[in-house]
Amino acid sequence: QKEVEQNSGPLSVPEGAIASLNCTYSDRVSQSFFWYRQYSGKSPELIMSIYSNGDKEDGRFTAQLNKASQYVSLLIRDSQPSDSATYLCAAADDKIIFGKGTRLHILP
Amino acid sequence: DGGITQSPKYLFRKEGQNVTLSCEQNLNHDAMYWYRQDPGQGLRLIYYSQIVNDFQKGDIAEGYSVSREKKESFPLTVTSAQKNPTAFYLCASSAAGGRYEQYFGPGTRLTVT
Repeated sequence: QKEVEQNSGPLSVPEGAIASLNCTYSDRVSQSFFWYRQYSGKSPELIMSIYSNGDKEDGRFTAQLNKASQYVSLLIRDSQPSDSATYLCAAADDKIIFGKGTRLHILP
Repeated sequence: DGGITQSPKYLFRKEGQNVTLSCEQNLNHDAMYWYRQDPGQGLRLIYYSQIVNDFQKGDIAEGYSVSREKKESFPLTVTSAQKNPTAFYLCASSAAGGRYEQYFGPGTRLTVT
């Protein structure tokens, strides 16, 4: 059974600090990794894709991938109250597997 | 504007009635998906289609049916056989199946009483 594991949270982070979200996956052949943001009552929105080991930066977001450790993370710099949401991690090879998400709460 | 539309946003039905949820995309994507999300739960795959006139069951297909007669459209019917149909239903599409990123529609919240 292929799985993507995330801590459900909530993860509380002060405004302006760095939020660090983590994810592990079980399928070693996964090639593509995604982070989605989902606000309460809304649909998931793709915020980052990463395909190779290392870091990928996009604005305040940095995705990190370590295939040897089967580990993906998302860093959010200068956290804002608008970043409060559930963040879904996903891993894909022949199919995409979603984690259940981590709830992030940015404290004003 | 390219995107995925789902209608209606909210849907109320009586138990025992079939109901069809609409999903349309103008992204020229080959693959389309239906997920169900329950409060505090992850996404569960109901059905997916990688090409017109072909679709496969996901993890929780019982009580649901789909069709894919056009590339742009992938409607989902929730039948009376579905034991707990009240949920948030999400349609997604991707350029192709497998390892490509999926983009989601706004969702339909179905309540059956």
